[in-house]
Amino acid sequence: DAKTTQPPSMDCAEGRAANLPCNHSTISGNEYVYWYRQIHSQGPQYIIHGLKNNETNEMASLIITEDRKSSTLILPHATLRDTAVYYCIVRVQGNTPLVFGKGTRLSVIA
Amino acid sequence: EAGVAQSPRYKIIEKRQSVAFWCNPISGHATLYWYQQILGQGPKLLIQFQNNGVVDDSQLPKDRFSAERLKGVDSTLKIQPAKLEDSAVYLCASSLAVATDTQYFGPGTRLTVL
Repeated sequence: DAKTTQPPSMDCAEGRAANLPCNHSTISGNEYVYWYRQIHSQGPQYIIHGLKNNETNEMASLIITEDRKSSTLILPHATLRDTAVYYCIVRVQGNTPLVFGKGTRLSVIA
Repeated sequence: EAGVAQSPRYKIIEKRQSVAFWCNPISGHATLYWYQQILGQGPKLLIQFQNNGVVDDSQLPKDRFSAERLKGVDSTLKIQPAKLEDSAVYLCASSLAVATDTQYFGPGTRLTVL
């Protein structure tokens, strides 16, 4: 079973920042937080991952609380193409399968 | 770099028929996964291969599902006989067998069982 809790849906205005929360209160010390997204009719796409420090790449930023029990994915300037289901996944690093929950359906509105 | 290829993209069959899906992973990726995604849910692992060996098939319904990865490259997933509840999207993913283990997904095969 998924070890994360996410809101089922969120809306965001185009051009604004989208902040997607995730709770993972039972995360272990060696588990990372991963984010993937799935655009309609496509396979999931990797976004970002982190252990305890905040991370940033060309797609998004990941903010992890100090106690590591929750995190937030930030899309700084959401576009219509960011409309997708976003999955927060907790797992150890390595060749292990991804355990998906139901994710958050983000709708970016013009 | 070419992505993960899957075929067919869509398949419609009647229950009790058989069906096969094909996956070609990214070149050099040793690890291959098959996931099943039922409408409204996240993907669920069916089987994981490392090269041509099975790492995890604990969630594969072995009475009707089978998978192989001959020569450690392409893979096929077969369902025989299909049931109505097998209607889903079947996703293939691959990754390098290293610590940086980003999984790359194909577009999936949408199966409808009537």
